Amino acid sequence: AQSVSQHNHHVILSEAASLELGCNYSYGGTVNLFWYVQYPGQHLQLLLKYFSGDPLVKGIKGFEAEFIKSKFSFNLRKPSVQWSDTAEYFCAVHIGNQFYFGTGTSLTVIP
Amino acid sequence: DAGVIQSPRHEVTEMGQEVTLRCKPISGHDYLFWYRQTMMRGLELLIYFNNNVPIDDSGMPEDRFSAKMPNASFSTLKIQPSEPRDSAVYFCASSETTPIRQFFGPGTRLTVL
Repeated sequence: AQSVSQHNHHVILSEAASLELGCNYSYGGTVNLFWYVQYPGQHLQLLLKYFSGDPLVKGIKGFEAEFIKSKFSFNLRKPSVQWSDTAEYFCAVHIGNQFYFGTGTSLTVIP
Repeated sequence: DAGVIQSPRHEVTEMGQEVTLRCKPISGHDYLFWYRQTMMRGLELLIYFNNNVPIDDSGMPEDRFSAKMPNASFSTLKIQPSEPRDSAVYFCASSETTPIRQFFGPGTRLTVL
């Protein structure tokens, strides 16, 4: 069965540190990939998405993600995090007509 | 707990028909969210409830959409009349006392012909 894995459940970083959150999926065919963010007290918002083309995708707020097909991965990165990046991050995969969400990674940025 | 339950899983209807999507949140969760996901726009929040009371419905696209939560264990999202552009996957999610971590249902795939 298809699945999405986010191996980092809780990440704690100091401001200005670099961030990389892992996302792996299990499906050998064509996929579309998404990263969502949920700030405390708010709803999910789209950070970035990949459909095709350049595997390095740039999103809002300085985030980017790289699709590596051979590794079935779509890791989220940011060179320098800020305190305001404290949030829950969800990876999602669209396969056919189904969407699969990871369990989320909680990021805490310490000022 | 069985998690968030949504029904039906798939719905195919004709333009102009009424569509009702159903959701049963995880027991004890105070928040319930309705989202719509399309390829081009990703996940969009339609409305969310806290303790059965609608808090923010600014994401509801137009008057054809309505949502209710008559009790803590049941919510509906209704589209009347439905249009082809409403075709999407509709997700219901619930969370505990604060909406920090949401648990998603499997979604309802709606196709309006």
